[in-house]
Amino acid sequence: GIQVEQSPPDLILQEGANSTLRCNFSDSVNNLQWFHQNPWGQLINLFYIPSGTKQNGRLSATTVATERYSLLYISSSQTTDSGVYFCAVKAGTALIFGKGTTLSVSS
Amino acid sequence: DGGITQSPKYLFRKEGQNVTLSCEQNLNHDAMYWYRQDPGQGLRLIYYSQIVNDFQKGDIAEGYSVSREKKESFPLTVTSAQKNPTAFYLCASSKRHQTSTDTQYFGPGTRLTVL
Repeated sequence: GIQVEQSPPDLILQEGANSTLRCNFSDSVNNLQWFHQNPWGQLINLFYIPSGTKQNGRLSATTVATERYSLLYISSSQTTDSGVYFCAVKAGTALIFGKGTTLSVSS
Repeated sequence: DGGITQSPKYLFRKEGQNVTLSCEQNLNHDAMYWYRQDPGQGLRLIYYSQIVNDFQKGDIAEGYSVSREKKESFPLTVTSAQKNPTAFYLCASSKRHQTSTDTQYFGPGTRLTVL
């Protein structure tokens, strides 16, 4: 089945720093989503982005479907950005999740 | 408020007991899903349902059962046959299951601990 790999596994930042999270996938996909899991476990939808670029405030995402990767950019990070960021792809009927990138932002 | 609710938030079970986790949505979504998350891992699909009275096994269905008698509700039973049930369980829903633009939305989760 399709494999989803996220990097880096862990990231520690000072408040105000920028970061890039990467998601590689092993086969063509027709659906890609980025989620943020907050420290209480809630998964929050960030982007639906099977291709192209989208921006929402300090966050933006780019998916290059032909090269099978997606990037999530976080600018001017804040402590509330801490948590786990998941990439999930869908090639058929099921959403397949990567293992996530754990982000810790300190003040 | 529109959304997905899960109850209880925390659940403790003795070995050998069956327990049922509740998931309700008022988004008028056709499809609903159950995922399991273990520490440091991504989510793995247990069961999904595309319409009422229909459900399909996911990657790790053994030891679990579901029902979908109403569009709004998709309860998950963790049976005594599940060998390692301690985990965080997340329910999700989406408007349609098969379309490529389907976006899933998640509930707040239930943390199950076997004593």
